[in-house]
Amino acid sequence: KAGVTQTPRYLIKTRGQQVTLSCSPISGHRSVSWYQQTPGQGLQFLFEYFSETQRNKGNFPGRFSGRQFSNSRSEMNVSTLELGDSALYLCASSLTSLRTAMNTEAFFGQGTRLTVV
Amino acid sequence: AQTVTQSQPEMSVQEAETVTLSCTYDTSESDYYLFWYKQPPSRQMILVIRQEAYKQQNATENRFSVNFQKAAKSFSLKISDSQLGDAAMYFCAYRSAVRAGNMLTFGGGTRLMVKP
Repeated sequence: KAGVTQTPRYLIKTRGQQVTLSCSPISGHRSVSWYQQTPGQGLQFLFEYFSETQRNKGNFPGRFSGRQFSNSRSEMNVSTLELGDSALYLCASSLTSLRTAMNTEAFFGQGTRLTVV
Repeated sequence: AQTVTQSQPEMSVQEAETVTLSCTYDTSESDYYLFWYKQPPSRQMILVIRQEAYKQQNATENRFSVNFQKAAKSFSLKISDSQLGDAAMYFCAYRSAVRAGNMLTFGGGTRLMVKP
């Protein structure tokens, strides 16, 4: 079974540009979450999508947005990039137990390293 | 809001020895899950062990075990017979079992070094 796939692995962008990151979850997983990892702030939750709807949202400005497609693949977009957006962006997928409506463990991708110059 | 604190930024252990990583958390919820994740240099987060708050028995996975003290809100990870491959960043994480969804709150991490 393939794991969580994030593309691209590395990205360099200029301040003011926008960027789109992609995440393909494990087959059958319907929940996709995004996290930002930086040396200063650590791991911070961005948002979670489930069945194409945003279910939870972290404390990030509106420049950070996401969406989920019918095949559960998710994209994350950052507009008007700032130097402080340089980070490792991690995606995690989870299988929802339909009986309990609770998720199982999160499985992470290898991340996308975004550098803003 | 929940918070997770890892007070040891770095730890080192001799190969084959035992090491314990500390984690404390704060929550007003009665039901939740706690996790330890490992992040090697490859950057991929790997689940090491999980604990359901309603279970009093401490979770174990081979060489990894936890000491879960619910009243003290403490969740430490013990690694026995440490191996070179255990060297990595270790993150403690909290997830609500009350609120729908899979939002994880992470601690700041502990870098574990294993000396041969």
